Amino acid sequence: GAGVSQSPSNKVTEKGKDVELRCDPISGHTALYWYRQSLGQGLEFLIYFQGNSAPDKSGLPSDRFSAERTGGSVSTLTIQRTQQEDSAVYLCASSLSTGGPYEQYFGPGTRLTVT
Amino acid sequence: AQSVTQPDIHITVSEGASLELRCNYSYGATPYLFWYVQSPGQGLQLLLKYFSGDTLVQGIKGFEAEFKRSQSSFNLRKPSVHWSDAAEYFCAVGLMSGNQFYFGTGTSLTVIP
Repeated sequence: GAGVSQSPSNKVTEKGKDVELRCDPISGHTALYWYRQSLGQGLEFLIYFQGNSAPDKSGLPSDRFSAERTGGSVSTLTIQRTQQEDSAVYLCASSLSTGGPYEQYFGPGTRLTVT
Repeated sequence: AQSVTQPDIHITVSEGASLELRCNYSYGATPYLFWYVQSPGQGLQLLLKYFSGDTLVQGIKGFEAEFKRSQSSFNLRKPSVHWSDAAEYFCAVGLMSGNQFYFGTGTSLTVIP
C-alpha cells in the first residue's frame, strides 16, 4: 500500500515569506507526527495529532509555527515569516495510534531552505 | 526526564567487519524500543523493534538488537557490514502511556572498502 507522502520535496523561500508543508499519512493511521531535522542533528519533535486533535503542541519552536489536520487525514505545517534558522528537513510520520507500541512510518521529508 | 542516548556520533567500519551501535535509555519501566535507519536523502525506515519476550530481536537487512534491562541498553548489531549499510541510525523509545516517542541523536555509519 501507499506510504506516507510529503509535498513539496524541496522548498526554497525568501526570509519573511510563509510556507506550507503537506503530509499525507497512511490510510487508517489515526496518529500523525511532525519532526524537524537540522543538518547533522537528530529528530526534534514538533507536534502530534490524534485524529484531528493536537493535544501536545509543546514542541513547536515559536508562534510562527502552526499545524492542522483535517478529516483525520492530511496535515499541513505552516511556518509564517520564515527565518533562516527554519532551514531544515521537516519529516512527517504516521502510526495506527499514539503511544509506545505503535511504530511510526516516515515520509521522505520536505527540505526547506530559507534564503 | 526520559532520554535516549547514542554515545557514538560517528562510526567507521570496514566492509565485512562486525558492527555494534550503542543505545541507552532512561526510563522507569521497560519501554518499547526501536531502531530506525535513514539513508541519505531518505526518510526513516524501521529496522526492528522490541516490545516484550525474547530479548534478542531480529530485524531486516541482517540486523539484530539485544535488550538488556540491567544496563538499560538496546544495542544494534550486525555480523558483517555491507557498503550499503552506510547511513544514519536512530534508536527510539516509546512509552507505555501517552504519545511520547523519543529519538536519540543518531549514529552516522561509514563503511570503507
